[in-house]
Amino acid sequence: AQTVTQSQPEMSVQEAETVTLSCTYDTSENNYYLFWYKQPPSRQMILVIRQEAYKQQNATENRFSVNFQKAAKSFSLKISDSQLGDTAMYFCASGAGSYQLTFGKGTKLSVIP
Amino acid sequence: DTAVSQTPKYLVTQMGNDKSIKCEQNLGHDTMYWYKQDSKKFLKIMFSYNNKELIINETVPNRFSPKSPDKAHLNLHINSLELGDSAVYFCASSHERQGAPNTGELFFGEGSRLTVL
Repeated sequence: AQTVTQSQPEMSVQEAETVTLSCTYDTSENNYYLFWYKQPPSRQMILVIRQEAYKQQNATENRFSVNFQKAAKSFSLKISDSQLGDTAMYFCASGAGSYQLTFGKGTKLSVIP
Repeated sequence: DTAVSQTPKYLVTQMGNDKSIKCEQNLGHDTMYWYKQDSKKFLKIMFSYNNKELIINETVPNRFSPKSPDKAHLNLHINSLELGDSAVYFCASSHERQGAPNTGELFFGEGSRLTVL
């Protein structure tokens, strides 16, 4: 069974500052993918960034980057230059098994003007 | 041009009623899903279908019955609705390969908020 743990239910950050959201996961699979999804108040789930476990290089997507520590099973998301539009729920997810993603419980991020 | 569309987006109904939520994707994906998001925002998979075949059926009451008439559609029918069924239900799709880890992103619909009174 897979588990994904997000230990920060809520976080806040000043606009233009940097924030890091934590995520740990557990899987017995050797080959898997990890994801961060964003859910703004509009409710739509949007993929932010994806990391393939066999790649050592951390994924980056504009202002979003991850710190992937495979041995520690840690997958944190760093948001640089935070913008008001980044206010949302952020979900970490593991795709170790076929045909489903396992999601963490989410971190509610508020960007303060 | 919506990729994954769900109808209705909002549904308010009485306990004991039967209701359906429809989902359609125009991405050409072969796998579709239903996820339930409870009041605490926890997302949990309910079902997944690959090429109209049921692949995953989590511990969901028998009152919930998915139906996939073709690869582009996955509908969710709920019988004898209960208060605890109130949630947001998300349909999603992806392109999968059998036996391989989930490599792609899920494309989500906008969700259907079900309120049972």
